[in-house]
Amino acid sequence: SQTIHQWPATLVQPVGSPLSLECTVEGTSNPNLYWYRQAAGRGLQLLFYSVGIGQISSEVPQNLSASRPQDRQFILSSKKLLLSDSGFYLCAWSVQSTGELFFGEGSRLTVL
Amino acid sequence: SQQGEEDPQALSIQEGENATMNCSYKTSINNLQWYRQNSGRGLVHLILIRSNEREKHSGRLRVTLDTSKKSSSLLITASRAADTASYFCATDPNNAGNMLTFGGGTRLMVKP
Repeated sequence: SQTIHQWPATLVQPVGSPLSLECTVEGTSNPNLYWYRQAAGRGLQLLFYSVGIGQISSEVPQNLSASRPQDRQFILSSKKLLLSDSGFYLCAWSVQSTGELFFGEGSRLTVL
Repeated sequence: SQQGEEDPQALSIQEGENATMNCSYKTSINNLQWYRQNSGRGLVHLILIRSNEREKHSGRLRVTLDTSKKSSSLLITASRAADTASYFCATDPNNAGNMLTFGGGTRLMVKP
């Protein structure tokens, strides 16, 4: 069966510090991978998605970036965090032929 | 921007009652999906209904889709306290998942 792991679960970082959130998927190959952000009490905003290694599409201009160094690994990064980067970050994957998303447990980022 | 908008934003019912949540969207879709999110957790896929389908069932869940009105409803029958969660609709215009757009969600509370 397929599983998705996302870490760290909670992160408190000062403004201007770097960020690295990691996501890995097991039990499937060549998945579509996604990073979403969720503000408190709101819906999800798509940040990045990837259909293959090294292929990243950005949906929202910001100081975040994403990379896919391996088929089942997706990393969300920032060189310098802003207060507005605080939120709940969710990694997800999907089978390329269907539209159903499978989510990780999320990473709660607080920037102080 | 959010394609789907759920209504109501919050719903409180007693255990055993039915819960109905509605979703409206603006553009043509290939499929519409419903997800559930427990507080502080990742989203879990509940059901997908394609644009050529009008109704779909899964256990105590019943989803309808009216493409002429660009609306969908999620009915949870015989609700339980464990159904307490936020429910999101998501629209997919191309059946590939990478353009999935989420609404703001309905927060459901089921009182024992």
